[in-house]
Amino acid sequence: DTGVSQDPRHKITKRGQNVTFRCDPISEHNRLYWYRQTLGQGPEFLTYFQNEAQLEKSRLLSDRFSAERPKGSFSTLEIQRTEQGDSAMYLCASSTSTGTSLKQYFGPGTRLTVT
Amino acid sequence: AQSVTQPDIHITVSEGASLELRCNYSYGATPYLFWYVQSPGQGLQLLLKYFSGDTLVQGIKGFEAEFKRSQSSFNLRKPSVHWSDAAEYFCAVGGQGNLIFGKGTKLSVKP
Repeated sequence: DTGVSQDPRHKITKRGQNVTFRCDPISEHNRLYWYRQTLGQGPEFLTYFQNEAQLEKSRLLSDRFSAERPKGSFSTLEIQRTEQGDSAMYLCASSTSTGTSLKQYFGPGTRLTVT
Repeated sequence: AQSVTQPDIHITVSEGASLELRCNYSYGATPYLFWYVQSPGQGLQLLLKYFSGDTLVQGIKGFEAEFKRSQSSFNLRKPSVHWSDAAEYFCAVGGQGNLIFGKGTKLSVKP
C-alpha cells in the first residue's frame, strides 16, 4: 500500500490558463474521488469514478472542469480558463466499493493558486 | 438536505485534559460516519469510522466516537490530549458514494 499520490503538489497559474492535475489511487481501489477544499472549509465533493465510469458529479463541477479515468487506474482533473475563485486545495481519495470497506484514503492534495 | 455541522470552529485544551469535539449530521438514509484529522501540510487521515453495530467505536491515536441516532450526533472524544493532537478535525457522513464534510474544528493544545 503506497498510498494515494497527487501531482503536482503546488501549481501557480495565471487567470485564463488551463491546468491539469493527476491522481494515482491505491492500486487495488476501484473508486476514485475528487474533492475541493478552500481555506476554512471542509472538503467539498466534486466527482467520483468507479473503474472508468464517472458515477456522480457535483453541481460545483462547472463546464470548465472535466475529470477522466481512462483505464480505471489514475485520474486527471482539468480546469479550463482558470478563475481566481478556483484557487483551492484539490484532494483525491480512493476506496474499494464493497461493504464496509468504503473508507476513503486521501492523497496530500494539489494546491492551486490562480493569480 | 444532507449536511454535517461542527458547532465549534476552534477549541483550546490543556495538554492532558480530556477532549470532546461535536458533530451533528443530517442524512436521509443510514449514515456511514467518519472522523478525519488534517495537520498543516498533511493529507486527511482517517481516525475512525462507524458503519453499524456497536455505537462506540475506537480509532487510532486513542480517539473514540459515539454514534447517537436519536441525537443525530457522532462526537469524538479523547481522555487525555497530547500536544501532537493539535490539528484540524473533520466529521463526515456518507453512504455508498461521496462524503459530506463539516467545516472542521481546529484544536489547539496548551502546554
